[in-house]
Amino acid sequence: QVQLVESGGGLVKPGGSLRLSCAASGFTFSDYYMSWIRQAPGKGLEWVSYISSSGTTSYYADSVKGRFTISRDNAKNSLYLQMKSLRAEDTAVYYCARAAGWFHPWGQGTLVTVSS
Amino acid sequence: DIQMTQSPSSLSASVGDRVTITCRASQSISSYLNWYQQKPGKAPKLLIYAASSLQSGVPSRFSGSGSGTDFTLTISSLQPEDFVSYYCQQSNSTPWTFGQGTKVEIK
Repeated sequence: QVQLVESGGGLVKPGGSLRLSCAASGFTFSDYYMSWIRQAPGKGLEWVSYISSSGTTSYYADSVKGRFTISRDNAKNSLYLQMKSLRAEDTAVYYCARAAGWFHPWGQGTLVTVSS
Repeated sequence: DIQMTQSPSSLSASVGDRVTITCRASQSISSYLNWYQQKPGKAPKLLIYAASSLQSGVPSRFSGSGSGTDFTLTISSLQPEDFVSYYCQQSNSTPWTFGQGTKVEIK
């Protein structure tokens, strides 16, 4: 079955960096756009970034532009989010999702906490 | 950016009730509107895409309608597992944006 599994979350100090990964299975990964969406504790959903199926095109929310980089390795069926210059307001559960305009399915999420 | 406004932010209802949640876009988004359900501590789940298409496996008590700027999610007969949160999302243009969510609570 289609499955997405995120990893790489954790506690990081303000200004620090972290790399999230998302392992995909059960579908032809290289055929699909992919996206990252986050949810701060007790808050709503915020789209973060998406990347085209080939990896040549990507878009970012203004809140992360210049600090986050989305990438993918189609040979490894994996999606990544490199996060730099992290701020307290980046604290959230980060979900990867297959993107077709709508998001389906979603991974279980990985928690990123930015705190000193 | 396109702003998505959901109403109400929360509602109280009983099992068996018919419930409607509204989502309004700040500009026309044609039918590029999707609905998600989120249970506590879990990832969101796609319910409706392209305003009115029911995602495979989703019960038929869920339905969506609307186009342009005004959209609705209707649950025809609330079941105990439906007392959770719901979000709309526009996919007309980036940045893709979500409504602030609606929490459905037991009366």
